[in-house]
Amino acid sequence: QLHLQESGPGLVKPSETLSLTCTVSGDSIITSNFYWVWIRQPPGKGLEWIGSVYYTGSSYYNPSLKSRVTMSVDTSRSRFSLNLISLTAADTAVYYCAREEYTFRGWFDTWGQGTLVTVSS
Amino acid sequence: QTVVTQEPSVSVSPGGTVTLTCGLSSGSVSTSLYPTWYQQSPGQAPRTLIYTTNIRSSGVPDRFSGSILGDKAALTITGAQADDESHYHCVLFTASGIRLFGGGTKLTVL
Repeated sequence: QLHLQESGPGLVKPSETLSLTCTVSGDSIITSNFYWVWIRQPPGKGLEWIGSVYYTGSSYYNPSLKSRVTMSVDTSRSRFSLNLISLTAADTAVYYCAREEYTFRGWFDTWGQGTLVTVSS
Repeated sequence: QTVVTQEPSVSVSPGGTVTLTCGLSSGSVSTSLYPTWYQQSPGQAPRTLIYTTNIRSSGVPDRFSGSILGDKAALTITGAQADDESHYHCVLFTASGIRLFGGGTKLTVL
């Protein structure tokens, strides 16, 4: 059974860079059937898709975040990562990693538990 | 900028039927946008209810169904139960490859 686990800092200062990692266990990260995804949810608000990355490294980003986001996959360590630069308070959110079905885009069939990231000095 | 629209809040009586909708600020929702519905309880990650318009995810009760109604995607709960009280999110896969979430609907069962 697939398990996803986010890891990273819970508190980051404004203007700094957020780096999060999602460790994949229970199934291979090398798969042509799925994307690996980051989604976030500000407190009390809705969900926002950040981006999706394929195991080859090809990626799609939300245009509203594209200038600040980089996603990558480390197949040797079975994990994928999110880097988000130039943070502001508006980036405070629960960050989820998830797996997205390749054929039915938008179907995030497995989610991590989420990690709260607070941007504050 | 295209926005996905959902009712902010909806209420239903126990045993009743309720339909939540998912629309676009410009244009119509069709099956080609692969509408997907998620249920999210407080403090929990979302779980899939319906994907690609009308396919129930594994383990989802058949009182949940998805469809296209007019120019929107719809999630219908038939015979609502108390534990259906939750937040419901839809997401659409747009032609440009962007996955767009709606703002979510808070469903109250009372």
